[in-house]
Amino acid sequence: QQPVQSPQAVILREGEDAVINCSSSKALYSVHWYRQKHGEAPVFLMILLKGGEQKGHEKISASFNEKKQQSSLYLTASQLSYSGTYFCGTGPTVNMGDDKIIFGKGTRLHILP
Amino acid sequence: DGGITQSPKYLFRKEGQNVTLSCEQNLNHDAMYWYRQDPGQGLRLIYYSQIVNDFQKGDIAEGYSVSREKKESFPLTVTSAQKNPTAFYLCASRKNPEVAGGNEQFFGPGTRLTVL
Repeated sequence: QQPVQSPQAVILREGEDAVINCSSSKALYSVHWYRQKHGEAPVFLMILLKGGEQKGHEKISASFNEKKQQSSLYLTASQLSYSGTYFCGTGPTVNMGDDKIIFGKGTRLHILP
Repeated sequence: DGGITQSPKYLFRKEGQNVTLSCEQNLNHDAMYWYRQDPGQGLRLIYYSQIVNDFQKGDIAEGYSVSREKKESFPLTVTSAQKNPTAFYLCASRKNPEVAGGNEQFFGPGTRLTVL
């Protein structure tokens, strides 16, 4: 079952902040975040594991609330290079024999100069 | 350089024809995945394989078939039974993690299939 991402699209000016949310109806064990530029392959940003800490990569960070079955991606002081579609992926469940990631529909982020 | 290759980048086929999309990786990854991407739909899982000679259906497996005879290769066949095959197809691979979900997936550059 696909996780739900919100918002579907965001338009920002360079330097502004953004938050992208990802929620699931199932208990989450891990959350993956990827960014995809138009016509290119998705690129890995970070993984958050159950019981783990908030992660960060330059000015992009993420949190994982296991009880609420939610994750949020925070983009601080956005740069033009941050434009693209952001996907969250959830999984697998505790059953290691079913190691697949299910992705949401994505959030389109457009940064204006 | 290690990575995932998909060929061709663009593929055109007539309706009713089967077509096979290639995916090769030299990362020594155990697991491989096929996703389909349509506008506004995100990445939907077609098939995945965690070890050689074994694979499982994803959420939208109907009309597709795969094989995993070698660790490095995971070809996807789009059959004539797939009602709407025009899409962007992405292959990915991943090392079996020590912790469930603990490893990132690496994606290939994708194949854009157009059925006329």
